[in-house]
Amino acid sequence: KQEVTQIPAALSVPEGENLVLNCSFTDSAIYNLQWFRQDPGKGLTSLLLIQSSQREQTSGRLNASLDKSSGRSTLYIAASQPGDSATYLCAVMGWEGSGGSYIPTFGRGTSLIVHP
Amino acid sequence: NAGVTQTPKFRVLKTGQSMTLLCAQDMNHEYMYWYRQDPGMGLRLIHYSVGEGTTAKGEVPDGYNVSRLKKQNFLLGLESAAPSQTSVYFCASSPMGARRGTQYFGPGTRLTVL
Repeated sequence: KQEVTQIPAALSVPEGENLVLNCSFTDSAIYNLQWFRQDPGKGLTSLLLIQSSQREQTSGRLNASLDKSSGRSTLYIAASQPGDSATYLCAVMGWEGSGGSYIPTFGRGTSLIVHP
Repeated sequence: NAGVTQTPKFRVLKTGQSMTLLCAQDMNHEYMYWYRQDPGMGLRLIHYSVGEGTTAKGEVPDGYNVSRLKKQNFLLGLESAAPSQTSVYFCASSPMGARRGTQYFGPGTRLTVL
């Protein structure tokens, strides 16, 4: 069974810092990995999707990397801003043999606060 | 293009009552998912569907049933609600092909069971 762990669980930083959020998974046979942002009381917004054949994806100040062999992904946030305050979740799409399909497994998230 | 919508947004039930949550997507996606989110637990997969007329169990399926009679709709049913089913429920859909796995989420349904 796939297990996804996110470290740290919570992070509080001053504005302007560069941040690294970590996501690790136990089964490296994944199809892709996706990073999401969730604001309090809201749904999930997709940030970046990395296919299993890719090593990284970038969008603006965000950069996500994937190392399948070691079961790790990192989300790098450059020059953090108060508007980046949210919970960040990673989801791994892995094979679920009994159902015969790829299914997603989420980590518990990293709660980020960026203070002015 | 509304994306993924969920009905209702809020609901309060008494123990033993039944209800159905509706998820609708207008992106012609093959895959649809139902999750529940509890404090500190992340999202846990309840049931999923890989196409019209198909459903499969996820991580926490007990106490729930689902149906996918039409490609655009995925229904989640609670036959006899329990306080342990108090949660926020999210629906998501994703396409097949190269972008498979890119999940698009609805806004959620907040359910309280008394």
